[in-house]
Amino acid sequence: AQSVAQPEDQVNVAEGNPLTVKCTYSVSGNPYLFWYVQYPNRGLQFLLKYITGDNLVKGSYGFEAEFNKSQTSFHLKKPSALVSDSALYFCAVNNFNKFYFGSGTKLNVKP
Amino acid sequence: DVKVTQSSRYLVKRTGEKVFLECVQDMDHENMFWYRQDPGLGLRLIYFSYDVKMKEKGDIPEGYSVSREKKERFSLILESASTNQTSMYLCASSLGDSQLYEQYFGPGTRLTVT
Repeated sequence: AQSVAQPEDQVNVAEGNPLTVKCTYSVSGNPYLFWYVQYPNRGLQFLLKYITGDNLVKGSYGFEAEFNKSQTSFHLKKPSALVSDSALYFCAVNNFNKFYFGSGTKLNVKP
Repeated sequence: DVKVTQSSRYLVKRTGEKVFLECVQDMDHENMFWYRQDPGLGLRLIYFSYDVKMKEKGDIPEGYSVSREKKERFSLILESASTNQTSMYLCASSLGDSQLYEQYFGPGTRLTVT
């Protein structure tokens, strides 16, 4: 069965520090992996995706994600966090045109 | 700029009422999806559609039905609303039948059933 796990309900980080939001997946076949962000009272916005090629994927707002096949992970990263990055982040996998989402990680960036 | 719109941001309905949630996309996308979002559970797929008049059940279709008469419009119907259907409902669309494409989401409808 396809699944996505985000082991942390919440991540707290100080502004200017690097941040990581973790995601692991389980799929049959090739993984097509995505990160979305949700700001309060808004729909989800696409951040970045991994399809194939370079394991480090760059996306919107300075975010990047590292695909690790051996660890079946796709962690979201940013070198220097901003207060405005505070939001709910979802990892997702697309398997045969169905998206499977993780439970979400709330990122809190403190000034 | 791509856009997915949902008919209501907030909706309050009584138990037993029939509820219609409308979603429209202006991107000529083939695929459309309905999810519900609940705290700690992430997004769960209710129904999706790959083409006009075509629908497939997602993970939690019970108590819901859908309609897609036109390519740009995908409706979610709660035949007889119940309190456990109180949730945030998100509509999304994506291009083509490839796994490569990301989804575009509407702003959501927060439904309360009393």
